[in-house]
Amino acid sequence: GQNIDQPTEMTATEGAIVQINCTYQTSGFNGLFWYQQHAGEAPTFLSYNVLDGLEEKGRFSSFLSRSKGYSYLLLKELQMKDSASYLCAVVGDAGNMLTFGGGTRLMVKP
Amino acid sequence: GAGVSQSPRYKVAKRGQDVALRCDPISGHVSLFWYQQALGQGPEFLTYFQNEAQLDKSGLPSDRFFAERPEGSVSTLKIQRTQQEDSAVYLCASSLVTGGIEKLFFGSGTQLSVL
Repeated sequence: GQNIDQPTEMTATEGAIVQINCTYQTSGFNGLFWYQQHAGEAPTFLSYNVLDGLEEKGRFSSFLSRSKGYSYLLLKELQMKDSASYLCAVVGDAGNMLTFGGGTRLMVKP
Repeated sequence: GAGVSQSPRYKVAKRGQDVALRCDPISGHVSLFWYQQALGQGPEFLTYFQNEAQLDKSGLPSDRFFAERPEGSVSTLKIQRTQQEDSAVYLCASSLVTGGIEKLFFGSGTQLSVL
């Protein structure tokens, strides 16, 4: 089976750094995605990790440890527009299908 | 098109009514997925097409749910005899290739409310 866990909600201050964790237990592993979803909108791609380590892309970075079944998304220099849900998703054995966690709703306060 | 397009954006149905939700994927995208997203939850897989072939329908919650993609482009998700528990956002996603790992492009979804 597939089990993907992430915190339900987080709050952070504008300009700060926040780390959103994701742990997974899946049958097979072909990579992990992070998506951002603003309320009422489509999820949009942020990052993809398949090898261990840190991938940096501007203000956003994503880390993966396959041996620990663990990933995190790091958001720096938070802006109000970063208030959204952040979805962790794993590609298992079944082709290109993504299995999502429940999402972490991030609220950025002034 | 420029992105994945879904229609209608909102649908209100009376319990027992049939509904049809449409997805226009990005032109040329081979793979198409349907997901169901309950309020405050992550998307749950429903079904997957590669061109016109439905390769996986293991996520469809009951035989009231049916999806098709007859010409390998536009897809329709049909729900018969809707129930209140069917209320959710139905997301469609497409990707360019199969065989490798490719990011999915999502539509904005159809928000279905069953009264």
